[in-house]
Amino acid sequence: EVQLLESGGGLVQPGGSLRLSCIGSGFTFSSHNINWVRQAPGKGLEWVSGIVGSGDTTYYRDSVKGRFTISRDNSKNTVYLQMDSLRVEDTAVYYCAKWNGYGDMWGQGTMVTVSS
Amino acid sequence: EIVLTQSPGTLSLSPGERATLSCRASQSVSNNYLAWYQQKPGQAPRLLMYGASSRATGIPDRFSGSGSGTDFTLTINRLEPEDFAVYHCQQYGDSPRTFGQGTKVEIK
Repeated sequence: EVQLLESGGGLVQPGGSLRLSCIGSGFTFSSHNINWVRQAPGKGLEWVSGIVGSGDTTYYRDSVKGRFTISRDNSKNTVYLQMDSLRVEDTAVYYCAKWNGYGDMWGQGTMVTVSS
Repeated sequence: EIVLTQSPGTLSLSPGERATLSCRASQSVSNNYLAWYQQKPGQAPRLLMYGASSRATGIPDRFSGSGSGTDFTLTINRLEPEDFAVYHCQQYGDSPRTFGQGTKVEIK
């Protein structure tokens, strides 16, 4: 069974940092792109960042460029999202998804709250 | 970036009725690269359709997608109780990938 499991969310003050993890199972992890999508409370979905299977190429939305870093360790079937200089507007549930231009499998999400 | 506008915001229907959801793009979506997702409260999105009209694995055939260019539609025939949820469209023909704001299908 294909599964993705996020972890690492929590409460952090503005300007702080968090590292999210996404562990995949049930598929050849290194062959697939993984993306992060977030959803602020009561709002719609917003694409955040993506990384190709080899880890060679990464993508970011403009509002997180220079603050977020995506990476992966295929030996651990894990993708990371390092989030620095967090802002109140980054508060959201963060989902990782197996990505083919669209998300064909999603994790259950991890909540990130940025508040003083 | 491509802005996707979904309508209506909320659709109130009874089980057994047909739901017609619209997703309109601010510019043409390349190759009709348009996906639809279903999301229930407290759950992750679930892929329903991709390529505007191709059903994802395991999706019942009462769900169908159509459209091209800037106008896309998700139709749910004979609504089942488990179909009441929020539906999102997403384009993947251009970067950045963008989503609509969602349509809630609620029980009337």
